Amino acid sequence: EAQVTQNPRYLITVTGKKLTVTCSQNMNHEYMSWYRQDPGLGLRQIYYSMNVEVTDKGDVPEGYKVSRKEKRNFPLILESPSPNQTSLYFCASSLSPHSTEAFFGQGTRLTVV
Amino acid sequence: SQQGEEDPQALSIQEGENATMNCSYKTSINNLQWYRQNSGRGLVHLILIRSNEREKHSGRLRVTLDTSKKSSSLLITASRAADTASYFCAPKVSGGYNKLIFGAGTRLAVHP
Repeated sequence: EAQVTQNPRYLITVTGKKLTVTCSQNMNHEYMSWYRQDPGLGLRQIYYSMNVEVTDKGDVPEGYKVSRKEKRNFPLILESPSPNQTSLYFCASSLSPHSTEAFFGQGTRLTVV
Repeated sequence: SQQGEEDPQALSIQEGENATMNCSYKTSINNLQWYRQNSGRGLVHLILIRSNEREKHSGRLRVTLDTSKKSSSLLITASRAADTASYFCAPKVSGGYNKLIFGAGTRLAVHP
């Protein structure tokens, strides 16, 4: 089954404790991205990757890092999480940077206390 | 910004009724996409309409696009309780990479 898989689905952590949210897709997609969703703000793009070893900042990259060592994986790293990073996070992928349809993971609900 | 802004913010209807959601955007686009999000879950692509199209159908969905007014509408006919979700439009700028900009969405509640 074609899918984007995020882990974990839920995470509660403390301020400053490094964490990684994993994202994996099995569709051989080139383009992957991370979004955060906050009430009243819609989804905002954090980082994106056009292909292996090619990543770039989205609209709200502060406090986040990503890597794209393999085509299928695009982890989101919070080196020192803060409470304002409490949010619902989504990973998405599409066949190419210019593809029309994006496929989303099920989301990771992160709470930083 | 090419952000899509959905209207209304919330819509409550009875099963069997039609639901209409509107979207406005600010720049020239290549296409406009609609997505659905069930409570707290990932977004699912519903339908895409290109800038040279005025209307498109998919099952019970009907999408219109008016590029002169920079607006689109999504009509769900004969709604069902399972249609309860948030709906987002995502305009895509011409020539740009696949950066989708989402608004806050329309929360649709369909009551049995």
